[in-house]
Amino acid sequence: EVQLLESGGGLVQPGGSLRLSCAASGFTVSIYAMSWVRQAPGKGLDWVSSISGTGGATYYADSVEGRFTISRDNSKKTLYLQMNNLRVDDTAVYYCAKGDPVATLGYHFDSWGQGTLVTVSS
Amino acid sequence: DIQMTQSPSTLSASVGDRVTITCRASQSISNWLAWYQQKPGKAPKLLIYKASSLESGVPSRFSGSASGTEFTLTISSLQPDDFATYYCQQYNSYWTFGQGTKVEIK
Repeated sequence: EVQLLESGGGLVQPGGSLRLSCAASGFTVSIYAMSWVRQAPGKGLDWVSSISGTGGATYYADSVEGRFTISRDNSKKTLYLQMNNLRVDDTAVYYCAKGDPVATLGYHFDSWGQGTLVTVSS
Repeated sequence: DIQMTQSPSTLSASVGDRVTITCRASQSISNWLAWYQQKPGKAPKLLIYKASSLESGVPSRFSGSASGTEFTLTISSLQPDDFATYYCQQYNSYWTFGQGTKVEIK
């Protein structure tokens, strides 16, 4: 059974940093592209970032480019999202999602974690 | 950037109703479209991918179709478990979600 477990969320001041983790199990983690998607309170889904299975290809939404960094440690079966220079409008539940075993782009998300809440407030 | 326009934003329906949700892409996305269901406080769940392929384990009352840049999610006979919010997502060029359609009890 695929399991994705996010952690690392919390309250942070504007301009601060936070690192999210997503522990994956139940599939061959190292060959699957993975993504982060967020959802602001009461709002819709918003793609944040994606990474290929090897970690060699990364993609970012314009709203986070230059502030967020996606990475993975396949030996630990863990996906990360380093978030720097956080803004109030980054407040959201952040989900990790499992993608495709071959493609680096052009795939849907077939499994999602339960999410971790990031609150940016002074 | 590709924009996804989903309609309606809210839909009131009764158990047993046939329900249709539409998503329009701002440009061609071929059939690279998925539909997700989300219940309050829960993660999204994949229903349909590649516009019309049913994800394993999803009831057959859910179906998807495409015509050009217009995509449709149909629930043939609404069940109590189906009251939720539904999102379309294009994955032809990066990823973009529609605004969501909340299906509520009439």
